[in-house]
Amino acid sequence: GAVVSQHPSWVICKSGTSVKIECRSLDFQATTMFWYRQFPKQSLMLMATSNEGSKATYEQGVEKDKFLINHASLTLSTLTVTSAHPEDSSFYICSTRHDWGSYEQYFGPGTRLTVT
Amino acid sequence: EDQVTQSPEALRLQEGESSSLNCSYTVSGLRGLFWYRQDPGKGPEFLFTLYSAGEEKEKERLKATLTKKESFLHITAPKPEDSATYLCAVQAFANDYKLSFGAGTTVTVRA
Repeated sequence: GAVVSQHPSWVICKSGTSVKIECRSLDFQATTMFWYRQFPKQSLMLMATSNEGSKATYEQGVEKDKFLINHASLTLSTLTVTSAHPEDSSFYICSTRHDWGSYEQYFGPGTRLTVT
Repeated sequence: EDQVTQSPEALRLQEGESSSLNCSYTVSGLRGLFWYRQDPGKGPEFLFTLYSAGEEKEKERLKATLTKKESFLHITAPKPEDSATYLCAVQAFANDYKLSFGAGTTVTVRA
């Protein structure tokens, strides 16, 4: 397995402000990390692929200017929700995968974002 | 486009009552099929990876199997602690290690 941490575990912010969520791979280096969003009673939807040292790759329909991703080191990726609105309230989860060998992803505990 | 359909949506079991969850998939060039367990308010926990039809994996009371069109997760003699949402995901060779998830099956095991 793998240990992935996220910080914060929950955050409440006011509409129009920005929020940064950190994702750390604690026991191996990860060139690639992924960011997902999960709405209540729904499954995980991939938002973007975070690549160490290069630009993130966003899924269709995800605004890259709104969801800023930075993968500055092999163990840390950050997701910043800019100018947050109530419709951005969701459960944000990151994952990592080994650069070699098996293909499964290991997920963090998630961050609950509530925008008021 | 990869498609993953899980059934049933919800499953209520009595402790000890074995059952199976289904995951049907359509993918062009399957690299792997993955099963995860998700508890409320937490991230998914990895259970199994299956790579080719006929493959089986087991862990405690769980057993996952794979055919060319679907995967089953069998729960044998479940306990209340097996209550969770079970997610199935596929990864295609063409898709850069991305996972496409099904909607999940929520299992509730009553003592």
